[in-house]
Amino acid sequence: GEDVEQSLFLSVREGDSSVINCTYTDSSSTYLYWYKQEPGAGLQLLTYIFSNMDMKQDQRLTVLLNKKDKHLSLRIADTQTGDSAIYFCAESRESSASKIIFGSGTRLSIRP
Amino acid sequence: EPEVTQTPSHQVTQMGQEVILRCVPISNHLYFYWYRQILGQKVEFLVSFYNNEISEKSEIFDDQFSVERPDGSNFTLKIRSTKLEDSAMYFCASTEGTSYEQYFGPGTRLTVT
Repeated sequence: GEDVEQSLFLSVREGDSSVINCTYTDSSSTYLYWYKQEPGAGLQLLTYIFSNMDMKQDQRLTVLLNKKDKHLSLRIADTQTGDSAIYFCAESRESSASKIIFGSGTRLSIRP
Repeated sequence: EPEVTQTPSHQVTQMGQEVILRCVPISNHLYFYWYRQILGQKVEFLVSFYNNEISEKSEIFDDQFSVERPDGSNFTLKIRSTKLEDSAMYFCASTEGTSYEQYFGPGTRLTVT
């Protein structure tokens, strides 16, 4: 079946790194995504990684993929107050019209 | 930067009424989607649409739901007879087709009373 799981909450101190973890069950997953949702806003695509990669870095964001364990993580370096949001892990299969399956989202809060 | 837009931002309707949620996908995109997020729950896939027909739909997308691309720019979701449990945030998304980056609109909050 298709399922994506992530912890509900994460609190970090401003300036520290945040690491948000996610596990998925579908071994056919080809694309794994991180979306950000700020209060009252839509879903912003932050980054995505193909299943044949194990790491992707984009400025302060680092995505790590362990395909064997079906584990995905998002690291945000030097976390800022503007990073406060809900972060959704998601996956899709290799199909042009493929649906995205979302996790429940991790609410990241930043403390001073 | 091009973006997906949705109207209205908030729709309140009475149970049993028909609603139409509107979306304008990014102009060169070919694949279109609707998702919904019931308050406090996961974002759930409803339907995907390509070349003027439904590509895939979930079990949520029953006969009460329909989608249409009435012209070259709009993509609509119609709910024929709304139920209380249809209250949710509805997101439209689109993708070019050559990549797998789905871009989401800001959502329409539907409240059924």
